[in-house]
Amino acid sequence: DAGITQSPRYKITETGRQVTLMCHQTWSHSYMFWYRQDLGHGLRLIYYSAAADITDKGEVPDGYVVSRSKTENFPLTLESATRSQTSVYFCASRIYGTVGTDTQYFGPGTRLTVL
Amino acid sequence: QKEVEQNSGPLSVPEGAIASLNCTYSDRGSQSFFWYRQYSGKSPELIMSIYSNGDKEDGRFTAQLNKASQYVSLLIRDSQPSDSATYLCAGNTGNQFYFGTGTSLTVIP
Repeated sequence: DAGITQSPRYKITETGRQVTLMCHQTWSHSYMFWYRQDLGHGLRLIYYSAAADITDKGEVPDGYVVSRSKTENFPLTLESATRSQTSVYFCASRIYGTVGTDTQYFGPGTRLTVL
Repeated sequence: QKEVEQNSGPLSVPEGAIASLNCTYSDRGSQSFFWYRQYSGKSPELIMSIYSNGDKEDGRFTAQLNKASQYVSLLIRDSQPSDSATYLCAGNTGNQFYFGTGTSLTVIP
């Protein structure tokens, strides 16, 4: 099916472990984003990518690494997980053409718990 | 720091009433504004986007933007129980998107 998929949907890990969250989109949208959502903070941008091999930091990038070797994939890696990274992570892709067509589509989310 | 602030609610309205959701933003350079609906345990979905001062209507939804006051609002007419959700306001400057913490809306049958 077309759209954005994220895997895993749920993940429990321990402090200090490396974790990779996967994001795949079938639309070939140029832009992709990673957000985390926490109570009291809303959605916060971690990293975004304007195209394959082009990535940039968002509001809360510390402790995260991204890569984008292919347009359709945008994995997010927590190099050494900490409890403060317990959150729900959303991947999004963006279609952006003329004024009035800017739309982000969100994946189903990954609920990550760091013990 | 760029910020988007929403009245946190929760907001309760009876079925058929008008629900009014409000949002202010700090960055005058913000170009576009968005309202997303998020059901509990689900991902956000776009309801409306607005780029120019004034009103934009789409069915039961009307978005209003006042750039001078740095204010964005969403009106939901003829509210339905299915409108019960959290509504997120967002703005963007270039490729950076900033979201409010959301307003929880409950429509009472």
